Amino acid sequence: GNSVTQMEGPVTLSEEAFLTINCTYTATGYPSLFWYVQYPGEGLQLLLKATKADDKGSNKGFEATYRKETTSFHLEKGSVQVSDSAVYFCALSGLLNTGTASKLTFGTGTRLQVTL
Amino acid sequence: EAGVTQFPSHSVIEKGQTVTLRCDPISGHDNLYWYRRVMGKEIKFLLHFVKESKQDESGMPNNRFLAERTGGTYSTLKVQPAELEDSGVYFCASSQNLGRTDTQYFGPGTRLTVL
Repeated sequence: GNSVTQMEGPVTLSEEAFLTINCTYTATGYPSLFWYVQYPGEGLQLLLKATKADDKGSNKGFEATYRKETTSFHLEKGSVQVSDSAVYFCALSGLLNTGTASKLTFGTGTRLQVTL
Repeated sequence: EAGVTQFPSHSVIEKGQTVTLRCDPISGHDNLYWYRRVMGKEIKFLLHFVKESKQDESGMPNNRFLAERTGGTYSTLKVQPAELEDSGVYFCASSQNLGRTDTQYFGPGTRLTVL
């Protein structure tokens, strides 16, 4: 079945530091890949997505590239801010035989804490 | 456009009691999903409605959980009787279509605590 593995947290960084959160996946077929973010006290929000190999999703300074050869979708940001403190979830949506997307499979989440 | 809403935001009940969670999807979204995150673990799929029909309920843990979506609008998830291991955050999500590029939009979640 499908699975997502992401790095254990928490990750603590100083403001303006470079961020990488690793995510690798196992899936049958050709999944779509997502990063969701949960800010304190809020629900899950889509941060970015990529639906085919070599696609780069980007939003709010975050980027992730769909790497089929390494089955990875690592999240990066060049300079983090205190406001980026949140829990980040990597997820995939598989492809059913009908050609439609299946349910989301999530990683365990990585808590990011950014300090001044 | 209003997002996905869930009610209540928090619920604290005793073991053996019944709780009903509600989800209102984005208007016009035929697809509605329930997920659950047990403390510190991954978010896990529970079930998927297409309009009022259950498309996939493979993630429902046992028969103490009952989900409905009468009329294809809002959905309820009832836990009866609740057990300690049911504690967690229950998320609802909706999407318009089922294409590879379609996004599931999540609600804020209901935090359920069973004592």
